[in-house]
Amino acid sequence: GNSVTQMEGPVTLSEEAFLTINCTYTATGYPSLFWYVQYPGEGLQLLLKATKADDKGSNKGFEATYRKETTSFHLEKGSVQVSDSAVYFCANYGGSQGNLIFGKGTKLSVKP
Amino acid sequence: DTGVSQNPRHKITKRGQNVTFRCDPISEHNRLYWYRQTLGQGPEFLTYFQNEAQLEKSRLLSDRFSAERPKGSFSTLEIQRTEQGDSAMYLCASSPPRDGPIGGYTFGSGTRLTVV
Repeated sequence: GNSVTQMEGPVTLSEEAFLTINCTYTATGYPSLFWYVQYPGEGLQLLLKATKADDKGSNKGFEATYRKETTSFHLEKGSVQVSDSAVYFCANYGGSQGNLIFGKGTKLSVKP
Repeated sequence: DTGVSQNPRHKITKRGQNVTFRCDPISEHNRLYWYRQTLGQGPEFLTYFQNEAQLEKSRLLSDRFSAERPKGSFSTLEIQRTEQGDSAMYLCASSPPRDGPIGGYTFGSGTRLTVV
């Protein structure tokens, strides 16, 4: 079945540092891929998505490119802010009924 | 519309008691999902409704769990004879008919269940 593996945290960075959170997937076919973010005390929010190979999803300065050859969807941001502190989840569209398969999450802490 | 609403936000119950949670999705969303999230883990799929029909259930959904969506609008998730292992955040999400899950879900803030 489909699965997602993402790098374990926590990740601690200084403000304006470059961020990469790795995510790899296994799937039958070429599923849509997602990054969700969970800010402290809030529900999960869709951050970005890509629906086919070589697509780049982007939002709020974050980017991720759907790489079929490496089955990866790594999340990047060139300059993180304190307000980016949150837990980030990579997800894979799991099947015919549309349930998402989530990774375990990576907690990011950005220090001023 | 203010998004997906879940009630209550927190529930503390004694082991063996029954609990029920409610989810009100975004009004034009016909798909509704329940997930469970334990500490340090990502959300795990429990069940899915399209309108009032429950179309898929995870093996995580034991016979103590039941979900309904009687009129295709709000949904309830009931846990009977709660166990300490049921302690988790229960998340509800909805998605629209046009894009379906490809467009991404909208999640509620969740109901945190603590079984003591």
